[in-house]
Parts: sequence; structure tokens; C-alpha cells
Amino acid sequence: DAGVIQSPRHEVTEMGQEVTLRCKPISGHDYLFWYRQTMMRGLELLIYFNNNVPIDDSGMPEDRFSAKMPNASFSTLKIQPSEPRDSAVYFCASSLISGRIMNEQFFGPGTRLTVL
Amino acid sequence: GIQVEQSPPDLILQEGANSTLRCNFSDSVNNLQWFHQNPWGQLINLFYIPSGTKQNGRLSATTVATERYSLLYISSSQTTDSGVYFCAARSYNTDKLIFGTGTRLQVFP
Repeated sequence: DAGVIQSPRHEVTEMGQEVTLRCKPISGHDYLFWYRQTMMRGLELLIYFNNNVPIDDSGMPEDRFSAKMPNASFSTLKIQPSEPRDSAVYFCASSLISGRIMNEQFFGPGTRLTVL
Repeated sequence: GIQVEQSPPDLILQEGANSTLRCNFSDSVNNLQWFHQNPWGQLINLFYIPSGTKQNGRLSATTVATERYSLLYISSSQTTDSGVYFCAARSYNTDKLIFGTGTRLQVFP
């Protein structure tokens, strides 16, 4: 299995530009999570999906952030317009539920975003 | 929600030394994971251990669910063990994995 795949691995953009981050979860996993990691705030959960449906987006910092999961093998996190304070590493993770127990969560390599 | 606390926050070792990292959590859990974030930023799964003991090479982990803590043991540490070790836990009433603030480990030759 290829694991969780994220693209791009690095993104440098200017303030005000639209940024789109992409994620392909592990095949067969039915949960997908988006996290953000900064030195100041550590790892924060932004939003997660179950069977392509957004379940909890309470961690999304503001309306500039949006996420979609059009099918079981693809998700996007979009920032429009981007701001310097959005600079961070963004991780995608996926997991599988068995019965009522959610199994191990696996992380992608992350996208390092720099907004100038 | 569940609180996850890790100790110590920082640890400096000489190569070959052993260490124990601790994770305390405030509620019953159905998932407890240990991750290693290497110097390149990648989060690597070490253990999925909601209860019991597991071993993988020089690493082992024990979770005592009834007392709400987990321990990660690193034996004969190597410089490649450097990085940040995170504990993360999920309680029964949520889908969210809650992360501790991590233990930063530096191993010197």
C-alpha cells in the first residue's frame, strides 16, 4: 500500500493567492482528517470526513478555509485568500472503522505551506 | 474532552542510553497511538496500543488503560531516534484523536 499521499510537498505563494492542497487516503479507509501543525499551536485538527461526508469542521480557523471530499479517494483543502499566518505544515490522515472501533490513524508526509 | 499530557517535554541522551516517555490521559480510551516525528517532519506510526504491551525492536510500549497512562521505552538509543515523540488518544465518545504536546528527544553520539 502506498500510504496516504499528499501534494504538493512544498508550496510557496504570495499573500492573497488561492492555495489548494490535495490528499489521497489509504484505499478502503473511510475516515479522512486534515491537520495543521505550527510551532505555536502544535497539531490541530481542522476537519474530518466519514464516507466522504464532513462530520466536524469546528477546527477550521475561518471562512477562508474550505475542504471537500468528492469521492473516497480524494480530498482537497483550499485557502482563499491566503495570509502569512496560514504558513504551516498541513497533514492529511486516514483511518478505518471496524465495528464501532476506529483503527490506527496513518498520516501523509505533509505539505509545507509558506505564504509570503 | 479528553486531555493528553506527556512528560518529560525534553530529553537529552547519549547514544546507548535507555529512556522512558510517559503519556497520561484523562478519560477511558479506545485508541492510543505513539508517533515519532523525525527531523524531516514526517509522522511515523510506532504503536497502536489502547491496552497491553507491544514490542518492536528496541522500542516497546505499555498502556495501562485502567490507570490512564501509557509508557514508551527506548532502549540502546541511537542518533536516528532523535525527534519528537507524540502520544495521541481517542475516547469512546468521539472520532477525534487528541495529541499531547510531545517529548523532544535528542540523542548525541
